[in-house]
Amino acid sequence: AQTVTQSQPEMSVQEAETVTLSCTYDTSESDYYLFWYKQPPSRQMILVIRQEAYKQQNATENRFSVNFQKAAKSFSLKISDSQLGDAAMYFCAPANYNNDMRFGAGTRLTVKP
Amino acid sequence: GAVVSQHPSWVICKSGTSVKIECRSLDFQATTMFWYRQFPKQSLMLMATSNEGSKATYEQGVEKDKFLINHASLTLSTLTVTSAHPEDSSFYICSASSVSLGGLAGGNYEQYFGPGTRLTVT
Repeated sequence: AQTVTQSQPEMSVQEAETVTLSCTYDTSESDYYLFWYKQPPSRQMILVIRQEAYKQQNATENRFSVNFQKAAKSFSLKISDSQLGDAAMYFCAPANYNNDMRFGAGTRLTVKP
Repeated sequence: GAVVSQHPSWVICKSGTSVKIECRSLDFQATTMFWYRQFPKQSLMLMATSNEGSKATYEQGVEKDKFLINHASLTLSTLTVTSAHPEDSSFYICSASSVSLGGLAGGNYEQYFGPGTRLTVT
C-alpha cells in the first residue's frame, strides 16, 4: 500500500510570488506515476501536473513545476507567479500500475492580493 | 476530451431509503472506474474499484452490501447507497481511467474525475 504525507495543512502566498508545497510518499513499486491535483471550492478535481517515476527530468507545466527526488520519495510542487485562481486544496497522489491512486491529506493554499 | 459526469450533483434522502448515483464517461470508454468519499475538509478516500463486467473490489472497511457498485458498461458505473443513514452523508466522487487514453497498460495511470455528488441523509 502507498502512504502519502503532506506536512503543510495550510500555506499562504502573496499574489505574483512563488510557493512550494511538499509531499513525501512511500511505495514498494518501481514503476509509478505521481500527480498533483487541485480542488477549488467547486470541488472538481483538476489535474495540475504529472511525473513519471522513471523519468529523472522534473515535469513542468507553465507556472507549475515539480521537484522529484525519487530516492528520498519526495515530490514537491512549485507554483510561480501565483494567481488568485490558484487558491484551492492541493492533493499529492502517487498511482501504481494497478491504477491504485492514494491521496495525501491536502494543503490548503491561500493567495493574498 | 476525457470528461466524466455525475448525476445527481446533490441529493437529499430520508434515513432508511436508498439512493443511486451515476457516473458516466462522456467521450471515452472507461476500462476502470473508481468511487471515492470525501468528508468536509478531508482528503479523498477510495471506496472501491470496478472494471466493466466484473465485480467491484472494495477497500477494507467499506461495506459491500451498503455501497452497491455496478459497472455494467464501458461508459457507466453506479453507486447505490442502501438504507442510507445520516452518517452516510458525504461528498461522493467518481473517476475513470482508460487503456485507450494511456491508463493502465498504456502507462498513463491518470484518472479523470467527475464533479462529485453531495449526499445529505436526513
